[in-house]
Amino acid sequence: AQSVTQLDSQVPVFEEAPVELRCNYSSSVSVYLFWYVQYPNQGLQLLLKYLSGSTLVKGINGFEAEFNKSQTSFHLRKPSVHISDTAEYFCAVTLANAGGTSYGKLTFGQGTILTVHP
Amino acid sequence: ETGVTQSPTHLIKTRGQQVTLRCSSQSGHNTVSWYQQALGQGPQFIFQYYREEENGRGNFPPRFSGLQFPNYSSELNVNALELDDSALYLCASSPSGRRNNEQFFGPGTRLTVL
Repeated sequence: AQSVTQLDSQVPVFEEAPVELRCNYSSSVSVYLFWYVQYPNQGLQLLLKYLSGSTLVKGINGFEAEFNKSQTSFHLRKPSVHISDTAEYFCAVTLANAGGTSYGKLTFGQGTILTVHP
Repeated sequence: ETGVTQSPTHLIKTRGQQVTLRCSSQSGHNTVSWYQQALGQGPQFIFQYYREEENGRGNFPPRFSGLQFPNYSSELNVNALELDDSALYLCASSPSGRRNNEQFFGPGTRLTVL
């Protein structure tokens, strides 16, 4: 079974500063990786995903993430954050079989609350 | 294009009661997954439906059951509610049960069990 660990439960940062939210995963087989954002009292919105190919993935709102297979990590980064980035961020994995299909069950980390201060 | 919608937005029940939550998939999507998100936790997979059949289940007891209808909308039913069932219930739809590498989430239903 796969698992996801988000290494920081809370990350405070000042506006326009860079930020990194850390995610490590555990799986004995290939996985697809995702980052979702959740604003207060809302559902989840996909920021970016890694399926295959380039290990540097660019997403919406200026976020990017790098897949590191040897370190089983998928850290999320943004070079300059805004107040509006304040939200909770979830890293998630799903199985990817050899044929490139997936079962569809997402396994989530515990979440990281990003708070951007003025 | 209409996104994933869920109803009701909020719900309050008492222990032992039964509840039904509803989800309308995004247009063109035939797979629906349900997740439970307890306060301060990440979402936990409950089950998935593909073309009206259960396509996988997480570690939830049988009192959590579901249905998917021919129009691909879905229901989550929970019997004999317990206090620990209080959570945000999220529905997600995707285009296919076998190649669904992205799921689109609804806003959720907040269930409170007293």
